[in-house]
Amino acid sequence: QKEVEQNSGPLSVPEGAIASLNCTYSDRGSQSFFWYRQYSGKSPELIMSIYSNGDKEDGRFTAQLNKASQYVSLLIRDSQPSDSATYLCAVNRGATNKLIFGTGTLLAVQP
Amino acid sequence: DTGVSQDPRHKITKRGQNVTFRCDPISEHNRLYWYRQTLGQGPEFLTYFQNEAQLEKSRLLSDRFSAERPKGSFSTLEIQRTEQGDSAMYLCASSHGGGSSGNTIYFGEGSWLTVV
Repeated sequence: QKEVEQNSGPLSVPEGAIASLNCTYSDRGSQSFFWYRQYSGKSPELIMSIYSNGDKEDGRFTAQLNKASQYVSLLIRDSQPSDSATYLCAVNRGATNKLIFGTGTLLAVQP
Repeated sequence: DTGVSQDPRHKITKRGQNVTFRCDPISEHNRLYWYRQTLGQGPEFLTYFQNEAQLEKSRLLSDRFSAERPKGSFSTLEIQRTEQGDSAMYLCASSHGGGSSGNTIYFGEGSWLTVV
């Protein structure tokens, strides 16, 4: 079992719809959770972080964390073609501040 | 530009040659990380430094790979006797402190290596 698992996609949604991206992790000691966006050929860019159970909203983005289920999700409201990218889920297990990444989910927003 | 800076951005080298990448972290960040990313995969952790001390190295980091951060500022990643399997994007990242919430890791633009 991989430490951080994501569906590789592609996830295709129409413009204006809600895109829902999911991630599960195996280490219950994980403390911090991040979503990075990566455009093709570019480096990862942080878009959301979440540290406690529940929802965290930032503009069109909402991160959701359920530590009991070891599950993190990212919702993108009013999806735009410019949101088309790979979304990487990353988990920090604590003391080392080392991030473990999933393989990413490719999102394609259709105009 | 106050972000993480990497150089060179692209490197093409022949198999067997040595290559070195440089990373300049965000100035107040004391933690520096190296990751490697291949096509279709997420970034894989290679090593990290707190100030000048190299605190952890991944099992992925073979003896041909060495990283330094001599003065706790910039870092270099050297790959000796490159192999085609080393072709990847090498990402440097930095953060302020570590181990607790809020210590966000910021990535540089990456250094692309192609071994021919």
